[in-house]
Amino acid sequence: AQSVAQPEDQVNVAEGNPLTVKCTYSVSGNPYLFWYVQYPNRGLQFLLKYITGDNLVKGSYGFEAEFNKSQTSFHLTKPSAHMSDAAEYFCAVSLKSSGDKLTFGTGTRLAVRP
Amino acid sequence: SQTIHQWPATLVQPVGSPLSLECTVEGTSNPNLYWYRQAAGRGLQLLFYSVGIGQISSEVPQNLSASRPQDRQFILSSKKLLLSDSGFYLCAWSQSSGIKNIQYFGAGTRLSVL
Repeated sequence: AQSVAQPEDQVNVAEGNPLTVKCTYSVSGNPYLFWYVQYPNRGLQFLLKYITGDNLVKGSYGFEAEFNKSQTSFHLTKPSAHMSDAAEYFCAVSLKSSGDKLTFGTGTRLAVRP
Repeated sequence: SQTIHQWPATLVQPVGSPLSLECTVEGTSNPNLYWYRQAAGRGLQLLFYSVGIGQISSEVPQNLSASRPQDRQFILSSKKLLLSDSGFYLCAWSQSSGIKNIQYFGAGTRLSVL
């Protein structure tokens, strides 16, 4: 079975400061890892993914995430937060063997203060 | 380019009434299709997925059913709604070949059962 944990329900950051949204996963095998963003009352938008190769992946809107196999983590980061980054962020995992079925974390709400 | 449409955007239904939510995808063929439910303050729960016309897999036992009458049409239904069916329902699609695993979401339907 595969699972994802997002330990923080909410992350607060000041505009212009770096941000980190944490994600850890548990799978038996090599994971595919994803980050999605959701604005209020909207569907999820794909941000970035790790499939294989370079552990540091770059995505939309200046976000990055680093795959850390030893710590089974895939934290989302951005060097400088913008007000427009305020949203809910979801980490997800799938296995090649499970096809395209994603298992999502419970989400982390990012609040950006001026 | 590919687009995904969900309707209606919001729906208020009495307990015991039927339900039909529709999702259509444009600009691609033979997509994998998914229905998710997002309860308030929780992550996404995969309800159904489909890899082709008439092929439906149910992930969790529930009061809902899904059908895929056409290649790019996915319908979520219920004969009698329960209070617990309230939530935010999201449809998603992914390619069945090539770059897999990225799922693209519709804008969602907020269902309130009263």
